[in-house]
Amino acid sequence: AQKVTQAQTEISVVEKEDVTLDCVYETRDTTYYLFWYKQPPSGELVFLIRRNSFDEQNEISGRYSWNFQKSTSSFNFTITASQVVDSAVYFCALSEARIIFGKGTRLHILP
Amino acid sequence: GAGVSQSPSNKVTEKGKDVELRCDPISGHTALYWYRQRLGQGLEFLIYFQGNSAPDKSGLPSDRFSAERTGESVSTLTIQRTQQEDSAVYLCASSLGGLAGAQGSYNEQFFGPGTRLTVL
Repeated sequence: AQKVTQAQTEISVVEKEDVTLDCVYETRDTTYYLFWYKQPPSGELVFLIRRNSFDEQNEISGRYSWNFQKSTSSFNFTITASQVVDSAVYFCALSEARIIFGKGTRLHILP
Repeated sequence: GAGVSQSPSNKVTEKGKDVELRCDPISGHTALYWYRQRLGQGLEFLIYFQGNSAPDKSGLPSDRFSAERTGESVSTLTIQRTQQEDSAVYLCASSLGGLAGAQGSYNEQFFGPGTRLTVL
């Protein structure tokens, strides 16, 4: 069965620190997609990234970077030089037959 | 173009009443999803519509929950005889095309703002 685990329920860091959000997934399929979404206090989910299972290249977008490792079934998300505006709940998701979300990691960036 | 819209944004109802929640997907998006998010929790899949295929209802928690979609347009999620545990934010999302399975398929979901349901 497919499953997404975000072991960190809540993280607090001081502004400008780097922070990594962990995501571990389980799937029996060889073809699947992984996603990260951000849910700020306003509540609306914001798409951050999509990665398909055939592409293990890491990706960097500004202060955000993602590390996809099929060998460990992980798709971790790192924010470099965090800012207060990064405070949100972050969800990792897996798309196989349907999309399954992890329970989310609540990130607090302290000024 | 407009994003996914949902109405109402907030709904307060009494236990035992029926409620209808509406979702207007992005025009041209063939796939539509409903999720439930309880306070402080993750997203719980409810139902998925893809084109004219039979919907995937495997996430509906009970027979009090049902959803309809007319063609590739509006969807309505109905909760009958509401219970206090139904209180949550109900999120709708749409995507261009179906879910993953074929290499190269594109299935980014765009989410609506949600409907916050409170059952007293």
